Amino acid sequence: SQTIHQWPATLVQPVGSPLSLECTVEGTSNPNLYWYRQAAGRGLQLLFYSVGIGQISSEVPQNLSASRPQDRQFILSSKKLLLSDSGFYLCAWSFTGGNGYTFGSGTRLTVV
Amino acid sequence: AQTVTQSQPEMSVQEAETVTLSCTYDTSESDYYLFWYKQPPSRQMILVIRQEAYKQQNATENRFSVNFQKAAKSFSLKISDSQLGDAAMYFCAYRSAMNYGGSQGNLIFGKGTKLSVKP
Repeated sequence: SQTIHQWPATLVQPVGSPLSLECTVEGTSNPNLYWYRQAAGRGLQLLFYSVGIGQISSEVPQNLSASRPQDRQFILSSKKLLLSDSGFYLCAWSFTGGNGYTFGSGTRLTVV
Repeated sequence: AQTVTQSQPEMSVQEAETVTLSCTYDTSESDYYLFWYKQPPSRQMILVIRQEAYKQQNATENRFSVNFQKAAKSFSLKISDSQLGDAAMYFCAYRSAMNYGGSQGNLIFGKGTKLSVKP
């Protein structure tokens, strides 16, 4: 069966420091991969999605970037964090078609 | 572009009672999929139920059922015999059937409804 792993679960980083969040999927090949951000008590904002290795689409211009170095690995990065980057980050995967997304357990990022 | 609207930011229900969460969507497509996701305090997103637009029969998963009205573009979630563990944010979502890897295939979420369950 397919599983999705996301880490770390929580992260406290100073302003101006770099960021790297990692997401991996097991038990499947060539999944579509997604990064979402969620502010406290708010909805989900799609940040990036990827349909294949090296293929990244950005939905919102921001201080973040994403990479997909391997088929089942999706990384969210920043060179210099801002206070506004604080939030809850969710990774998800899906296939093209009628299935929904399967989400990771999320990373709570606090920039101080 | 498709949109999903959840008009109830917060709802409350008494334990063991029934509650209905509303969702409407806007699309010009005839073939698509609709979903309800649950996000408990742990913030893990959990798929509750899925509906295929070309199926007239309403989807049901145990105590969760939907009322899918395609002409009205309405997709409400009914939770029967509410339990304390049902307290969560609930998100309605739309996905085009024409998703071949482009952005048109991405899930579109509503802003969510926070459900509280009173003991």
